[in-house]
Amino acid sequence: AQSVTQLGSHVSVSEGALVLLRCNYSSSVPPYLFWYVQYPNQGLQLLLKYTTGATLVKGINGFEAEFKKSETSFHLTKPSAHMSDAAEYFCAVSTGTYKYIFGTGTRLKVLA
Amino acid sequence: NAGVMQNPRHLVRRRGQEARLRCSPMKGHSHVYWYRQLPEEGLKFMVYLQKENIIDESGMPKERFSAEFPKEGPSILRIQQVVRGDSAAYFCASSPPGFYQETQYFGPGTRLLVL
Repeated sequence: AQSVTQLGSHVSVSEGALVLLRCNYSSSVPPYLFWYVQYPNQGLQLLLKYTTGATLVKGINGFEAEFKKSETSFHLTKPSAHMSDAAEYFCAVSTGTYKYIFGTGTRLKVLA
Repeated sequence: NAGVMQNPRHLVRRRGQEARLRCSPMKGHSHVYWYRQLPEEGLKFMVYLQKENIIDESGMPKERFSAEFPKEGPSILRIQQVVRGDSAAYFCASSPPGFYQETQYFGPGTRLLVL
């Protein structure tokens, strides 16, 4: 069975500081991994995804994530936070099927 | 190019009433998925539909819940005789025709509150 754990339901960073949102997964088969972002009153927007190949994945808005099989992690980072990054972020895993398993989300707050 | 549309965005029902949630997929998409997010939990898969076909409803509660995706019109998630435990956010996603590994695009969700 697959599962996703997002450490920290709320994360606060100062504007310009590093953003690090943690995601650990469990999967018995090679996973497909996703990060989605949800702005208030909007749908989930895909930030980036890992399927196969290069383990460092670059996404939109300056975000990137690294697939680390040995650590079963797929943490999301951005070097410098912007006020517009304030949102809720969801990590998800699938085995390449249509069933995505989501984490419980991390709400990012950016302090001026 | 409009994204996935869901309506209503907020829905309040009293116990025992019916709730109908609508989802219009992105233009050109023929696969629809419904997920439910209970308070303090992640989104959980409910059902996968293609036009006029239910492909996988393994995540749907056995009673009171049904889904359809007719040849014309939006996909509908129907909850009969709602109970307080049905209060949740219901998200719809769609993907293009072809292999279902295509990325899923999500709508803004419908927040259902059962009084």
